[in-house]
Amino acid sequence: NAGVTQTPKFQVLKTGQSMTLQCAQDMNHEYMSWYRQDPGMGLRLIHYSVGAGITDQGEVPNGYNVSRSTTEDFPLRLLSAAPSQTSVYFCASSRDRVGETQYFGPGTRLLVL
Amino acid sequence: EDQVTQSPEALRLQEGESSSLNCSYTVSGLRGLFWYRQDPGKGPEFLFTLYSAGEEKEKERLKATLTKKESFLHITAPKPEDSATYLCAVQAIGTYKYIFGTGTRLKVLA
Repeated sequence: NAGVTQTPKFQVLKTGQSMTLQCAQDMNHEYMSWYRQDPGMGLRLIHYSVGAGITDQGEVPNGYNVSRSTTEDFPLRLLSAAPSQTSVYFCASSRDRVGETQYFGPGTRLLVL
Repeated sequence: EDQVTQSPEALRLQEGESSSLNCSYTVSGLRGLFWYRQDPGKGPEFLFTLYSAGEEKEKERLKATLTKKESFLHITAPKPEDSATYLCAVQAIGTYKYIFGTGTRLKVLA
């Protein structure tokens, strides 16, 4: 199993540009989530999904969209990038929606100029 | 409001010098508490899951314990390769969200 994969590894955007961060898992996990990690702020939940077709907002959802059309994929879309979205983004998945360990991808480092 | 606080923010130990990291949490009801290790430039790596007060888990030099208000990650005779950031997270009953603390940066000196 490849586990949780994320692409790209690094991206530079200009303010106002849009892009999609890709996340995929091959473990047939029900639950998937997106976090951003900033110095001194820990991991903050952006959006999560408890199954295909079901998504919900986390702690910091503004400026981001998600969809989950398949069990395997959970892309994160930045609609109009802002410098405040410069961060490291992690995708995670877990077998079940409650009480389960999350497995993390390697991260995408995003710089918005 | 559900909250997780980790202390200390940073810790420097000599090789072989045992210590403990703390994770204090405030939730209406705990579904699970999770410890992760994160190396620079990498994603968090799972260490332990604890579900109820009194539970303990061990792995090599690490031991995690849980009470009704906090969890400790005990590191016995650490080695330089234990240097990393250790993250604590909780999931509360009634929610599907996981809340993370800001982590403890551990440096073990040879």
